[in-house]
Amino acid sequence: QVQLVESGGGVVQPGMSLRLSCAASGFTFNNYAMHWVRQAPGKGLEWVALLSYDGNDKFYADSVKGRFTISRDDSRDTLYLQMSSLRPEDTAVYYCTRECRGWYPCYWGQGTVVTVAS
Amino acid sequence: DIVMTQTPLSLSITPGQPASISCKSSQSLLRSSDGKTSLYWYLQKPGQSPHLLMYDVFKRFSGVPERFSGSGSGTDFTLKISRVEAEDVGIYYCMQSIQPSSITFGQGTRLEIK
Repeated sequence: QVQLVESGGGVVQPGMSLRLSCAASGFTFNNYAMHWVRQAPGKGLEWVALLSYDGNDKFYADSVKGRFTISRDDSRDTLYLQMSSLRPEDTAVYYCTRECRGWYPCYWGQGTVVTVAS
Repeated sequence: DIVMTQTPLSLSITPGQPASISCKSSQSLLRSSDGKTSLYWYLQKPGQSPHLLMYDVFKRFSGVPERFSGSGSGTDFTLKISRVEAEDVGIYYCMQSIQPSSITFGQGTRLEIK
């Protein structure tokens, strides 16, 4: 079955960087686009970034554009989110999700918590 | 960006009764390329990750009970639960992805059981 396991979350100071990872299993990783979606404490869902199955197309929410980079390593079946210039408003649970043929998140991981605070 | 507006923001339903959630988009979600509509529904149960309920407006994802149904077109959409059960508690989100560069969610609708 499809499994997505996020890691790399933690507590960082504003302005610092962090890299999240998402280990995928149970499907052919390089056949699917992948997303990151986040949820600030007590808030709703916010889409963060999307990477096409072949890595050629990358899309970002305006709130993270220029600061976050989504990437994938198909040899490791792993998705990444490199986050830099972190702000307190980036504090959230970050979910890794897999598409289901239509640019929409279909399967979700359990999430990893990122806290940006001084 | 396309704005997704859900109503109501909260619902309190007696088990066995129906429930309905509305989702309106600021632009049409109809894809001219294939005639499908990029509207999806997710449920986030307490303490859990979200999971997909409905895709392309009215198609139930694998394992989703038949009491869930989706309808609508263009900019107006509805998720209905024919008979609410205790396990349906959580926050329901609609989402659009007609523009992959700008995917947006609704604010969420909290369903509780009376």
